[in-house]
Amino acid sequence: QSVLTQPPSASGTPGQRVTISCSGSSSNIGSNYAYWYQQLPGTAPKLLIYRNNQRPSGVPDRFSGSKSGTSASLAISGLRSEDEADYYCAAWDDRLSGYYVFGTGTKVTVL
Amino acid sequence: QVQLQESGPGLLKPSQTLSLTCTVSGGSISSDDYYWNWIRQPAGKGLEWIGRFYTSGSTNYNPSLKSRVTISLDTSKNQFSLKLSSVTAADTAVYYCAGPQGFLDYWGQGTLVTVSS
Repeated sequence: QSVLTQPPSASGTPGQRVTISCSGSSSNIGSNYAYWYQQLPGTAPKLLIYRNNQRPSGVPDRFSGSKSGTSASLAISGLRSEDEADYYCAAWDDRLSGYYVFGTGTKVTVL
Repeated sequence: QVQLQESGPGLLKPSQTLSLTCTVSGGSISSDDYYWNWIRQPAGKGLEWIGRFYTSGSTNYNPSLKSRVTISLDTSKNQFSLKLSSVTAADTAVYYCAGPQGFLDYWGQGTLVTVSS
């Protein structure tokens, strides 16, 4: 049972901007960095955003991340067909001895 | 660039111990400040972090699995491993290894483990 809540789905037409929210708490996003992963159908997840808003080399600048309080967001601008995938947020949770938590996941559909 | 590859049995019976290995290439597994992780994903469901081994020698585990999980390193083979005891059908999933940064910057392709009698 995930402690980070995402909307189950989001959609847009090519060229539109889509935003995905990730709601956490003071023990995870509220006190640690947020991360985002993209999982294309049938493949392993790929790091998309690290430390709230940093993009690894090779990730297009159409993808951007932000964090405010206990929530984080991923924005995809100029939506493309190849962006159709599952997106997961994640963060370290300080409770107990500490553990990594993933969001519930959001399926992005390009209409 | 770091590459990771999971290996291990694909079929287990209930109550057995799941043992998987992740072979790392393109870098030393024992480098300072590296975190070697295991994650799993049941079919059609989301990601679940299992645990990690920090090259300082410490480990962190998902509280829901902690009593059954052990993650260890074999520096001579540049591998790290996962052991999950007393498996049930609920442990059926694709298992991924990932690292070396704490935020899982590189992932293996995943290996399917099925628990069935």
